[in-house]
Amino acid sequence: GQNIDQPTEMTATEGAIVQINCTYQTSGFNGLFWYQQHAGEAPTFLSYNVLDGLEEKGRFSSFLSRSKGYSYLLLKELQMKDSASYLCAVSRDSNYQLIWGAGTKLIIKP
Amino acid sequence: EPEVTQTPSHQVTQMGQEVILRCVPISNHLYFYWYRQILGQKVEFLVSFYNNEISEKSEIFDDQFSVERPDGSNFTLKIRSTKLEDSAMYFCASSELGDTQPQHFGDGTRLSIL
Repeated sequence: GQNIDQPTEMTATEGAIVQINCTYQTSGFNGLFWYQQHAGEAPTFLSYNVLDGLEEKGRFSSFLSRSKGYSYLLLKELQMKDSASYLCAVSRDSNYQLIWGAGTKLIIKP
Repeated sequence: EPEVTQTPSHQVTQMGQEVILRCVPISNHLYFYWYRQILGQKVEFLVSFYNNEISEKSEIFDDQFSVERPDGSNFTLKIRSTKLEDSAMYFCASSELGDTQPQHFGDGTRLSIL
């Protein structure tokens, strides 16, 4: 079956760094996406990894290890507006469907 | 920046009625998707559409659902006979290419079935 696991909820302090992990088991792999979703809003694209390693984009970085079926999203210099759910989604081979994790709700405290 | 637009933002319908949710994908995008998200739950894939036909659908997308691209810009989701459990946020998304490209989401339509 297809399975994506993320922690349900995390709490971090404004200005700090937080790492949100995602593990996946899917039949085929053609890349992993991270999306941010504020409550009541649509998911917005953050990053895409298909090769092993770290992709950096401003305050956000995403890492992928294909052999371990593992990714993380790293958020630096946390701001209150980063309070949201972070969704991990996997693209499978020869397929247009994204398999979605349940999301990690990130709570930022002052 | 180009965006996916969805109408209406909120739809309230009696159980058993038909609803049509409308989407205008980003103009140069070729792949279109519908997702739903029940309040407090994960995003669920419904259907993907490419080259004027369904490329994949989930088990949620049963005979009461259909999609159409009636013209060069609109992409619609029809629910034929709505049930209470169809109440959810419905998101339309589009991508320039297929599975290696990010999908851009519309703001969603909140569907409430009474």
